Amino acid sequence: AQSVTQLGSHVSVSEGALVLLRCNYSSSVPPYLFWYVQYPNQGLQLLLKYTSAATLVKGINGFEAEFKKSETSFHLTKPSAHMSDAAEYFCAVGNAGNNRKLIWGLGTSLAVNP
Amino acid sequence: DGGITQSPKYLFRKEGQNVTLSCEQNLNHDAMYWYRQDPGQGLRLIYYSQIVNDFQKGDIAEGYSVSREKKESFPLTVTSAQKNPTAFYLCATRDRAVEAFFGQGTRLTVV
Repeated sequence: AQSVTQLGSHVSVSEGALVLLRCNYSSSVPPYLFWYVQYPNQGLQLLLKYTSAATLVKGINGFEAEFKKSETSFHLTKPSAHMSDAAEYFCAVGNAGNNRKLIWGLGTSLAVNP
Repeated sequence: DGGITQSPKYLFRKEGQNVTLSCEQNLNHDAMYWYRQDPGQGLRLIYYSQIVNDFQKGDIAEGYSVSREKKESFPLTVTSAQKNPTAFYLCATRDRAVEAFFGQGTRLTVV
C-alpha cells in the first residue's frame, strides 16, 4: 500500500524567502513521486517527478525536490519565492506496475507575502 | 493541440437532476480518471478506466456513473443519488509516461 503525507496545509513565506513544502511517503515498492501545482479554478500542472534516476530533481519555475529514501521524503524547495508562486501544491506517489492509480496528499496552500 | 478538454467549465444543477460532465483527450492515453476536489480534502478518486469498455470504482463512486465507449472520451454523470455534488471535478489521463495530465476542471454547483 502507498500513502502520502504533506506536512502543513498552509505555508506562508515572504517574497524572496526560501520555499520548503514537505512530503513524506510510504510505499512497499520503489516509488515514483510527483509534485503538482494548482492555481485557482484550474487543473493541476506537473512541477517535477522522480522516477528512480537522479535523486535531486529539477522542475519548472525554479523548483526542485530531493528524494531521500532513508527519510521517505520528497520535499519541494525553491530558493527565492515569487508572488506568482502562490498556489496549491500537491505531492503524489505511484509506481511502475499495472496499477496506474496515483495516491495524493491533501495539498499545501502557499501564500507569498510582499 | 494535444490535451484534455473538460466541458463545461461551470455547471449548475437543480436538486434531483442528473448532469453529465464531459472529458475528451487526444493524447492517446489508455488510462483516464475522474477526481472530486473539495477544499482541504485534496483529490478523491471517483472512477477510473484503464481501457475502453472497462472501468473501476474509486474511493467515492456512490452517486456517480461513467462510461468508456471510446478511448478519447470518459464522461461522468452526477446522479440525483449524489447528495452533495457541489465540488470541483477534474479529469486526468495517464499512460506509460507515468505522470498524470489534467484538464482544466468543471465547477459544479447545486442551485
